[in-house]
Amino acid sequence: KAGVTQTPRYLIKTRGQQVTLSCSPISGHRSVSWYQQTPGQGLQFLFEYFSETQRNKGNFPGRFSGRQFSNSRSEMNVSTLELGDSALYLCASSGEGYEKLFFGSGTQLSVL
Amino acid sequence: SQQGEEDPQALSIQEGENATMNCSYKTSINNLQWYRQNSGRGLVHLILIRSNEREKHSGRLRVTLDTSKKSSSLLITASRAADTASYFCATRGNTPLVFGKGTRLSVIA
Repeated sequence: KAGVTQTPRYLIKTRGQQVTLSCSPISGHRSVSWYQQTPGQGLQFLFEYFSETQRNKGNFPGRFSGRQFSNSRSEMNVSTLELGDSALYLCASSGEGYEKLFFGSGTQLSVL
Repeated sequence: SQQGEEDPQALSIQEGENATMNCSYKTSINNLQWYRQNSGRGLVHLILIRSNEREKHSGRLRVTLDTSKKSSSLLITASRAADTASYFCATRGNTPLVFGKGTRLSVIA
């Protein structure tokens, strides 16, 4: 099975722009979670989707949004980018039993 | 917010030595998991231990869980240079998986 695929791998944006990150889960996995990783805050939970429904949301401002499509692929969007949004954004999928997560390689976002 | 806190934050050992990392958490859990991350990459699941288990082994990994003390430890035996990475504990209760800030392990050949 192919692993979790995240695109793009690297992204450079400027303040005020918006960005969309994409995640394709492992085939058959219906749950997708997103995490933000920074050196200062570590791994922070953003969202969790299951069968196109947002099941959980972390403590992030409304500028951060996401969605999941019928094929389980997911996107997250960050509008009005701020310097503090620079981070590694990780997507993970999980299958039956919904226990362990399988992570993609992440999208490294730099906001200038 | 972080649920797990790993200790130490950084650990440097010689190849062949054992490495022990500890994790403490705050609330009740269903399971506790350990993940590994090589620099700037995604995390890889290593091992899961359920709240009713006390010890689990997987290859050179040994995990213990003490729910009365809300703590876990990860032991890597006979470490290799390839074990150099960051190690995170993550807890699952009635919430999404919550990660600690990790232990950076350096194994020197």
